[in-house]
Amino acid sequence: AQRVTQPEKLLSVFKGAPVELKCNYSYSGSPELFWYVQYSRQRLQLLLRHISRESIKGFTADLNKGETSFHLKKPFAQEEDSAMYYCALRSSNFGNEKLTFGTGTRLTIIP
Amino acid sequence: NAGVTQTPKFQVLKTGQSMTLQCAQDMNHEYMSWYRQDPGMGLRLIHYSVGAGITDQGEVPNGYNVSRSTTEDFPLRLLSAAPSQTSVYFCASSVRVGEDSPLHFGNGTRLTVT
Repeated sequence: AQRVTQPEKLLSVFKGAPVELKCNYSYSGSPELFWYVQYSRQRLQLLLRHISRESIKGFTADLNKGETSFHLKKPFAQEEDSAMYYCALRSSNFGNEKLTFGTGTRLTIIP
Repeated sequence: NAGVTQTPKFQVLKTGQSMTLQCAQDMNHEYMSWYRQDPGMGLRLIHYSVGAGITDQGEVPNGYNVSRSTTEDFPLRLLSAAPSQTSVYFCASSVRVGEDSPLHFGNGTRLTVT
């Protein structure tokens, strides 16, 4: 069975400081990982996915298969980064598709 | 494009009552799914559908029924509401299942069962 662990429920960071939101996963197959974000009063939306290796809003995330991690990083936090962040793992087994979410981390940027 | 539309936004039920949470998308997405969000639990998959006429169970399907008679609609039915079903429910859809098909979420339905 797949599992996604986000060890920090809450994270507070000063504006301009680096941000790292941790995500670890367990999955026997080849993982596909995503970060979703929910800003205040907005819908949950995709932030980035590991397969595209892109940087969105200054955030990056590298899949580390050895450590089974997909931590989300940003070198300089901005106030608008305050939001709820969810790490998610896509699994596919005999045609059954599932997206498993972690419990989320609420990031607060302190001005 | 309205995207994914969920109704109602809020609902209060008494134990034993039944109701249907509506979800509609106008993006011609093949894949639709229902999640519930509980404090400290993240989002848990209830049911999903990879196309019209096809549904399957997710992680927490008990107490819920779904059907997918059209591509656009994916209603979630609570047959006999229980206090344990108090939660925020999210419907999500994607073009198809796959890593290049991100989920589009609705605004959620906050359900309270007393």
